[in-house]
Amino acid sequence: DIVMTQSPDSLAVSLGERATIKCKSSQSVLYSSNNKNYLAWYQQRPGQPPKLLISWASTRESGVPDRFSGSGSGTDFTLTISSLQAEDVAVYSCQQYYSRPPTFGQGTRLEIK
Amino acid sequence: DVQLVESGGAFINPGGSLRLSCVASGFTFSTTWMIWVRQAPGKELEWVGRIKSRTAGETTDYAAPVTGRFTISRDDSKTTLYLQMSSLKIEDTGVYYCATGHPHHGELFDNWGRGALVTVSS
Repeated sequence: DIVMTQSPDSLAVSLGERATIKCKSSQSVLYSSNNKNYLAWYQQRPGQPPKLLISWASTRESGVPDRFSGSGSGTDFTLTISSLQAEDVAVYSCQQYYSRPPTFGQGTRLEIK
Repeated sequence: DVQLVESGGAFINPGGSLRLSCVASGFTFSTTWMIWVRQAPGKELEWVGRIKSRTAGETTDYAAPVTGRFTISRDDSKTTLYLQMSSLKIEDTGVYYCATGHPHHGELFDNWGRGALVTVSS
């Protein structure tokens, strides 16, 4: 199974400031035939189910604010929130869907400083 | 709007059986791959298994820890997904979410229910 490791485990950022979360996979999730990274990011607000934010490492889902962006390739990925809002308090998880079973990172808890 | 509503969660003894249901609405259920994902207390999300659409053969696949004990099925006429769990273990405790497979990749999960809590304890 591909192991997904996120850093940090928790993060406190001031409102309006940038938040950066890292995700590393134990093997590449880049499919060479189509040059796509099979990597997604989810947001899970307190008491809520996960919500898909970003797929293919950098494609925002419909309705996701443009302050959220994803980057990276191969084994190293980043989720960036450019200007933190109060409603962004949540646990953020990465997931690979390159191979079965799909696996998730342990989650990063994002709080307001 | 897509809605997924799980039910059937309970407190159950080790070795017992339980069936979860997930009623879906707001999308074409019959052509959508459906997934179960669970989350143990304080742990990461864990894929449990998936059932493809009928046109894709209704093929099922399961995570290693539940293979042989859990069965996923669907009733397209009722737009309902099921998870039959047997020989339950303490480590099966958690919130069980049903989710839809993304149209572009079935192992990418674009809609989630609110979850059903399963507690396995003596």
